[in-house]
Amino acid sequence: QKEVEQDPGPLSVPEGAIVSLNCTYSNSAFQYFMWYRQYSRKGPELLMYTYSSGNKEDGRFTAQVDKSSKYISLFIRDSQPSDSATYLCAMRAGGGNKLTFGTGTQLKVEL
Amino acid sequence: GAGVSQSPRYKVAKRGQDVALRCDPISGHVSLFWYQQALGQGPEFLTYFQNEAQLDKSGLPSDRFFAERPEGSVSTLKIQRTQQEDSAVYLCASSLAGTKGVTDTQYFGPGTRLTVL
Repeated sequence: QKEVEQDPGPLSVPEGAIVSLNCTYSNSAFQYFMWYRQYSRKGPELLMYTYSSGNKEDGRFTAQVDKSSKYISLFIRDSQPSDSATYLCAMRAGGGNKLTFGTGTQLKVEL
Repeated sequence: GAGVSQSPRYKVAKRGQDVALRCDPISGHVSLFWYQQALGQGPEFLTYFQNEAQLDKSGLPSDRFFAERPEGSVSTLKIQRTQQEDSAVYLCASSLAGTKGVTDTQYFGPGTRLTVL
């Protein structure tokens, strides 16, 4: 079993929809949680960075972390075709440096 | 300023050949990471440098993989006697973090797509 589980999709939604992306994890040492966006043939780009449990909002994006359930989410409001990409969750242990990624969820926002 | 750059962007090798992949991190970034991303998968950690010191190489899949960062800036990932299972995108990332536990952002390059025939 992988340390981080993420549904690979693909997920297809109409423009303007609210998108919910999720990851679960098994390693209790993870304290830092990130969401990266990766366009085709590009490197991952950081979207959201949160520490421990709670919510964080940035524009159309909201990240949630529930450490008690070992579950993190990314919500995208008013989704746009330009949001079509693969979304990767990533985690890091306190005191560590390397990131552990999920498989990535492929999202397509259709006109 | 400029982001992380990697070269070549694409590399085709015959099985058994040696390859060298280059990473130019963001200027002034202390930490440098290499990840391997197989098709349809998330990146997987290979190795980590702080300046010129290789502090973690636990993710290198075999002794055919070797990484160096001799002057604490540019890094090279070398794969000897390439195998088909080495085909993947190799991503380099850099960050300002020089101390364990300091929250910091890893900035990724575009990757080198390696295909071994």
